[in-house]
Amino acid sequence: EVQLVESGGGLIQPGGSLRLSCEVSGFTISEYSMNWVRQAPGKGPEWVSGLSSARNTIYYADSVRGRFTISRDDAKNSLYLQMNSLGDRDTAVYYCARSSGFRFLVDWGQGALVTVSS
Amino acid sequence: EILMTQSPATLSVSPGESATLSCRASQTVKYNLAWYQQRPGQAPRLLIYGSSTRPTGIPARFSGSGSTTEFTLTISSLQSEDFAIYFCQQYYSWPYTFGQGTQLEIK
Repeated sequence: EVQLVESGGGLIQPGGSLRLSCEVSGFTISEYSMNWVRQAPGKGPEWVSGLSSARNTIYYADSVRGRFTISRDDAKNSLYLQMNSLGDRDTAVYYCARSSGFRFLVDWGQGALVTVSS
Repeated sequence: EILMTQSPATLSVSPGESATLSCRASQTVKYNLAWYQQRPGQAPRLLIYGSSTRPTGIPARFSGSGSTTEFTLTISSLQSEDFAIYFCQQYYSWPYTFGQGTQLEIK
């Protein structure tokens, strides 16, 4: 059974940093493109970042480029998102998701809530 | 950035009837269009990709059509579990973008 479990969310002050983790079971993440997608309250999803299986392609949305870094630990079968210089516009539920290539999102985690507020 | 516009924002339909949801792209995305269903408190679930292909396990009452800039998701014989929010997403060019969603509610 495929499972993606996010952790590391929480309340953080503006300007702070947070690292999200996604522990995967049921498949080997090094064989797939892996992604982070966020959804602000009452809004449609936003594809934040993606990492190809070969690590030779990385995508970032303009809204996070230079502040967020996606990475992967194959030994732990886990995906990460380092988030720096957080602002209130970064408040959202962050989902880890497996994609078919870099196309559509096939499997999603349950999400981790990140709230940026003073 | 390609803007995805969904209509209507809210659609009220009775169980057993059909629902037609629309998605328009601000420029061509060819057939690179996916649909997702999101139930309250859950992550989105992939329903359709390639405009009209259903992944394994998605019921046949869900069907997608369209190309370039105009797309449609049709749900026939609506069941109680189908009342949810539906999003379209283009994957023709980065950044891949989603629509704002259509809320399908029970009439």
